[in-house]
Amino acid sequence: DIQMTQSPSTLSAFVGDRVTITCRASQSISSWLAWYQQKPGKAPKLLIYKASNLESGAPSRFSGSGSGTEFTLTISSLQPDDFATYYCQQYAHYWTFGQGTKVEIK
Amino acid sequence: EEQLVESGGGLVKPGGSLRLSCAASGFTFSDYTMNWVRQAPGKGLEWLSSISSRSGYIYYADSVKGRFTISRDNAKNSLYLQMDSLTAEDSGVYYCARAPEGVSHPDNWGQGTLVTVSS
Repeated sequence: DIQMTQSPSTLSAFVGDRVTITCRASQSISSWLAWYQQKPGKAPKLLIYKASNLESGAPSRFSGSGSGTEFTLTISSLQPDDFATYYCQQYAHYWTFGQGTKVEIK
Repeated sequence: EEQLVESGGGLVKPGGSLRLSCAASGFTFSDYTMNWVRQAPGKGLEWLSSISSRSGYIYYADSVKGRFTISRDNAKNSLYLQMDSLTAEDSGVYYCARAPEGVSHPDNWGQGTLVTVSS
């Protein structure tokens, strides 16, 4: 099974900060990686697919990069609506999610 | 509007059974692979099972293999999850999610249905 490890688990930041979340796969997944935002009581919302493709309707301040086993999600300028939990997901072989990164207000 | 709506959640005793449903609308249900994903209270997301568009390919996570059964009825635009031998560790919100056939990410999720396993 492919394991996904996200870091950090929690991140405290100010509005306007540049924020980076890292996701590592236990084996190569090429670019078969997605990023989601989830708010309490809501379903996950797709932000990025195939490692670096911005989902239609997702704000352009979100970007993704990486391939193989190392991936990053960057928020260029953190906005009040961005305080949430973020998950990476591999879909190269079934689906596996990272444990999540909670972005909190500093 | 493309929509997925789960139902069937509730309170069940350990060892009991429950059948979840997911009703699809606004898109051609039979074109998509469908999946179940759950989220235990305060925890992350866990993929449980997937079924291909014509039910030819079915997969399960080890945590539910032998206890859960996924199925679909394309004529009724519906996805199901039969859950047997439930334990407290099966408690959580259950989401259905669609994905285009092949190697693909989920591009639409339902709002989830809550399952609580407790005596």
